[in-house]
Amino acid sequence: KAGVTQTPRYLIKTRGQQVTLSCSPISGHRSVSWYQQTPGQGLQFLFEYFSETQRNKGNFPGRFSGRQFSNSRSEMNVSTLELGDSALYLCASSFLAGGRSTDTQYFGPGTRLTVL
Amino acid sequence: EDQVTQSPEALRLQEGESSSLNCSYTVSGLRGLFWYRQDPGKGPEFLFTLYSAGEEKEKERLKATLTKKESFLHITAPKPEDSATYLCAVQSRGSGNTPLVFGKGTRLSVIA
Repeated sequence: KAGVTQTPRYLIKTRGQQVTLSCSPISGHRSVSWYQQTPGQGLQFLFEYFSETQRNKGNFPGRFSGRQFSNSRSEMNVSTLELGDSALYLCASSFLAGGRSTDTQYFGPGTRLTVL
Repeated sequence: EDQVTQSPEALRLQEGESSSLNCSYTVSGLRGLFWYRQDPGKGPEFLFTLYSAGEEKEKERLKATLTKKESFLHITAPKPEDSATYLCAVQSRGSGNTPLVFGKGTRLSVIA
């Protein structure tokens, strides 16, 4: 079974630009979560989508947004990029079987975003 | 607010020298505690989920344990390929797939 895939793997942008990152979850997984990882702050939660609906959102400005499609694939968008947005952006998917409240989140390889 | 603190920040071991990594946590109702391994330039790789105090899980040279306030990842007779950053995360009870709250990780180096 293929794992979580993320594209692109590397991106270089300049301040003020916008960027879109893509995530394809493990086949059959319906929940997709996004995290930002930086050396100073570690892994921080951005948002979670399930059945095309955002159910949880972390403490990030409105420049960070996302969406999920009917096939569970997800995208996140960052507008008006700032230097501090340079980070590894990780996507994680989980199955969320009916009736279970806990399900393991499996991570993709990440997209390394550099803002110049 | 849920919090996770991992110690030590970095650990250097000789091959075969067993040790333990610590994860202290505060959470408003634990749904699960997770251990991940992360290699440089890669995403975290799932290792274990623990749900309640007293639970233990093992995989090869790794054993994870859980109490009401902390979790330990015991590494027995480590090998150089065990070198990685080990991340601990907690998930609290709530509606939907509540977010994981991560610690900063322990960077483990195993020297041959």
